[in-house]
Amino acid sequence: DTGVSQNPRHKITKRGQNVTFRCDPISEHNRLYWYRQTLGQGPEFLTYFQNEAQLEKSRLLSDRFSAERPKGSFSTLEIQRTEQGDSAMYLCASSLAKHSGANVLTFGAGSRLTVL
Amino acid sequence: DAKTTQPNSMESNEEEPVHLPCNHSTISGTDYIHWYRQLPSQGPEYVIHGLTSNVNNRMASLAIAEDRKSSTLILHRATLRDAAVYYCILSNNNDMRFGAGTRLTVKP
Repeated sequence: DTGVSQNPRHKITKRGQNVTFRCDPISEHNRLYWYRQTLGQGPEFLTYFQNEAQLEKSRLLSDRFSAERPKGSFSTLEIQRTEQGDSAMYLCASSLAKHSGANVLTFGAGSRLTVL
Repeated sequence: DAKTTQPNSMESNEEEPVHLPCNHSTISGTDYIHWYRQLPSQGPEYVIHGLTSNVNNRMASLAIAEDRKSSTLILHRATLRDAAVYYCILSNNNDMRFGAGTRLTVKP
């Protein structure tokens, strides 16, 4: 297994365009998380899935953001009508959920978005 | 969400031990204490986690106060490659929310 894979690694777009990021988790992991990170800040939680079910969404996830995990494997994060404030690193993580808080996340390298 | 408090930054000398503190006075009985670190230009990586007892692994040790309201991540011999932002997080099997972390600088 090659770990958590994110594509594309870098995306430059013009304001108002739509962008989509893809995350391929570790194959046996049933949980998948999306985070956003801006320069100098810690990762901000956006949403997470257990299998194909989206269990929680942050208030940060406005109606321009949508995430899917249709078959419980890979996930996509789409941002519609991008704004300059969306410029950030988008991080994906996966885990094998346990019936406790001992849930260890493995992160991908991230997808960096620049909105001009 | 239960919150954690960490110093913004710390410095250490190479090959000396480092003790990174974390306060979590509102921790609940089911919250695990997790530590992750983020090296420059990389995603965060798992370091260690624990519930009540002290924990050791190949990367670090985690010392948990008896009342669980604070914990300390211990790097036994800091190397230049340990320079990173270290995050202390409480998790109860739902989401995992990061704070600003502690930026560790290691001086040669």
